[in-house]
This record gives sequence, C-alpha cells and structure tokens, in this order.
Amino acid sequence: QKEVEQNSGPLSVPEGAIASLNCTYSDRGSQSFFWYRQYSGKSPELIMFIYSNGDKEDGRFTAQLNKASQYVSLLIRDSQPSDSATYLCAVNSDGGNQFYFGTGTSLTVIP
Amino acid sequence: DVKVTQSSRYLVKRTGEKVFLECVQDMDHENMFWYRQDPGLGLRLIYFSYDVKMKEKGDIPEGYSVSREKKERFSLILESASTNQTSMYLCASSGSGGIWAGELFFGEGSRLTVL
Repeated sequence: QKEVEQNSGPLSVPEGAIASLNCTYSDRGSQSFFWYRQYSGKSPELIMFIYSNGDKEDGRFTAQLNKASQYVSLLIRDSQPSDSATYLCAVNSDGGNQFYFGTGTSLTVIP
Repeated sequence: DVKVTQSSRYLVKRTGEKVFLECVQDMDHENMFWYRQDPGLGLRLIYFSYDVKMKEKGDIPEGYSVSREKKERFSLILESASTNQTSMYLCASSGSGGIWAGELFFGEGSRLTVL
C-alpha cells in the first residue's frame, strides 16, 4: 500500500501569516507531487505540482520537495481568509495513471 | 473551459438497489477515475480506466464495477447498494504523456445516501 500522510489539522493562522502544510509519502519511486485545494462542499482543484527537488514558487504559493526525506510541503505566504480550505497532497508513482492522496489538512485563516 | 460532469449531485437509494453514477468529460482525456471521499479517510481510488473498455482496480473495488464504452464516459455501478457505500463519489479525468499530464480534473461530486 502506497501511503501519503498529512496532519489533519485543523491548522489556524492569522491573516497575513505564512501557512505551512506538510506531507510525507512512502513510495521512493514517486515521480510527481501535487497540491489540491478543496473548499467545503466543492471538488478538489489543482494549485501546484512539483517533480524536482527544491522549491517551486507560484505567486503566494511555494511547493518544496525533498525526495531523500520523502517529504513535500506547501507554503502559503500572506495568508488570506479565502485560503481557508482543505489541502490535499497527492503523489503520482507510475507516470500518469495512479494518484495517491493524503487525508488532507484543514486550514483556517483568521481575519 | 474544461469540464467533468457527473450525472447526479445527490442520490438517495435503498439497500439492495442497483445504482449507476455517470461521468462525462469533454477534454478528450485518456484516463478517467472514480474516487470516494469520506471524512478522515480522504480520497480512495475505486477504479480507473486508461482507455475505452479498459479498467483497473484501485484500492477499494469491492462492491463496485465500472464501464467505459466511450472515451468521454465512465460509469460507476453499485450492483447492490449497501449502507457502507454512503459517501461522496468523485469522478476525475487526466490526460496522458508523462508527468505534465498529471493534473486531475474533478467533477462536482455525487453524494450518495443508502438507507
């Protein structure tokens, strides 16, 4: 069983702070890594993907990948109340067909 | 605008009934997936399909079957619904061609309640 683990939270941060979301995975052969955001009652939507070690930045979001430690994280800078959602980490192991999801971390940004 | 459409947003069925959940995508994607999402358990893969008439079991296929007769349509079938199949069902699709095709596009979900 390929496992993807996240802290379920809830994680609360004040508006304007940095939110840090973490994810670990068990399969060393994993190739690509995704962060999805899911608002309550809605379906997940992709916000970031990363496949190389290091950092990848997109606006207020930074994904960090450390394959040696089997660890991927998402940083949200200048957090806004609209960032309040559940963030799902997903891992793709075989290049396209199967994605393994963590249980998600619930984030609340307090105005 | 890319779209994955699920036929029913909310369904209420009785134990033992046969249930069909349908999903249609308009992106010409090769891969289609059915997940169920439960609190505390996250998204769990039921079945996926990488081509017409092709299917692969996911992590929890028991009690479910699927059908993919056309590229754009992927159906999930509960032959005899049970109360433990009460859940949110999410259909998704993705293209193929390496890691760049890894984005999953989700439908709005079908919330099934089995009484």
